[in-house]
Amino acid sequence: AQSVTQPDIHITVSEGASLELRCNYSYGATPYLFWYVQSPGQGLQLLLKYFSGDTLVQGIKGFEAEFKRSQSSFNLRKPSVHWSDAAEYFCAVTNYGGATNKLIFGTGTLLAVQP
Amino acid sequence: DVKVTQSSRYLVKRTGEKVFLECVQDMDHENMFWYRQDPGLGLRLIYFSYDVKMKEKGDIPEGYSVSREKKERFSLILESASTNQTSMYLCASSTKTGYTFGSGTRLTVV
Repeated sequence: AQSVTQPDIHITVSEGASLELRCNYSYGATPYLFWYVQSPGQGLQLLLKYFSGDTLVQGIKGFEAEFKRSQSSFNLRKPSVHWSDAAEYFCAVTNYGGATNKLIFGTGTLLAVQP
Repeated sequence: DVKVTQSSRYLVKRTGEKVFLECVQDMDHENMFWYRQDPGLGLRLIYFSYDVKMKEKGDIPEGYSVSREKKERFSLILESASTNQTSMYLCASSTKTGYTFGSGTRLTVV
C-alpha cells in the first residue's frame, strides 16, 4: 500500500541550530514528493517539491530536501532554524503519471524552537 | 495565483444535522479533493473528483458524500453529522504542476 512515514512526532531544536525532518515513502510508481508547512491556525503552505532531475531540491524559507531513491527517503533540512519556523511539517507523495493524482500525507512532525 | 475558497472557517452543528461544506476554485482545475485533518493522524483523503460529476472514494469515505455539479465547485456532505466527525476539513485542487489548498473549515459537532 502507498504510504508516507514521518517517524518523529515532535522535535525541539534551539534557535540557530540545524534541522532535519525525516520522511520515508512506500510507493509503487515513480514518486512525486512534497513538503508542506502549517503554522497554527493557518492553511498548508508548500515548502518544496521534487518531480525529477536534481535530487537536492531548494525551497522557500531556506529549506532544502534530498530525494534518495535507494532509501525511499525525502528528508527536509535547514542549516539554521529561526523561531518563526515553529510549525507542523507534512511530507506527501503522489504520482502524476496516474489517472488520478491523489496526494498521500504523512502524520506530520511538530517542530518547537527554543530561544 | 490559484485560489481555493472554503465558504466557512468555523462551523458548529448538532448531531444528526445534514452539513454542507463548500469549496470553490477559481482556475480550471480538473482535480479536487477533500481531506480531514486530525492531530497525530495527518491529512486523510475522504473523496476526490477528477471531473464534473465524477467522484472517487478516498481512504475514509464512511459517513460522507460529495457533489460536483460544476467544475469549480466541490461540496462535501455529512448526511447525519456525528461527534466523531468533529475535525478540520481541507479542500484542495490540482493540476500537473501542483496542489492548492484552502484555509480549512473547522467543524464541531455537538
